[in-house]
Amino acid sequence: GDSVTQMEGPVTLSEEAFLTINCTYTATGYPSLFWYVQYPGEGLQLLLKATKADDKGSNKGFEATYRKETTSFHLEKGSVQVSDSAVYFCALSNFGNEKLTFGTGTRLTIIP
Amino acid sequence: DAGITQSPRHKVTETGTPVTLRCHQTENHRYMYWYRQDPGHGLRLIHYSYGVKDTDKGEVSDGYSVSRSKTEDFLLTLESATSSQTSVYFCAISESGNTDTQYFGPGTRLTVL
Repeated sequence: GDSVTQMEGPVTLSEEAFLTINCTYTATGYPSLFWYVQYPGEGLQLLLKATKADDKGSNKGFEATYRKETTSFHLEKGSVQVSDSAVYFCALSNFGNEKLTFGTGTRLTIIP
Repeated sequence: DAGITQSPRHKVTETGTPVTLRCHQTENHRYMYWYRQDPGHGLRLIHYSYGVKDTDKGEVSDGYSVSRSKTEDFLLTLESATSSQTSVYFCAISESGNTDTQYFGPGTRLTVL
């Protein structure tokens, strides 16, 4: 079945550092890929998505490119801020399967 | 933000009691979902609905039932709560299902003693 593997956390970075959170997937066909963010005490918010190979999703300075050849969707940001501290989830959805398949989440902490 | 509310937001109950969680949406989306979030597992689908009175099981449906009598409301019932059902429960909605984006509610934290 479909699965998502993402970078183990927690990740701690200094403000203005470069961020990469790795995400790889296993799926048949052509899934859509998502990054969701969960701030403390809140629900999940869609951060960005990509629906086909080589698409780049971007939002709030975050980017991720759908790489079918490496089955990856790594999340990047050039300069993180304290307000980016949250848990980040990589997820996929596939035709014929109603659920979102999530990775286990990566907790990110940014220190001033 | 998508108009999704969940009630209650927090609940503590005892083993063996029935519990119902409610999800309400104002977006008129066809699809609604219930997930549970547990450490080390991400989110896992419990049940989903693809229309009024149309529901199906997810990957962790044992011990849970759902009902959808109106487009805007999706109820999750634990018939006899167990400690293993202590979790955070999230409702989600999407307009057309499949690979369409899902939007999440704020969550309900349930503790079963």
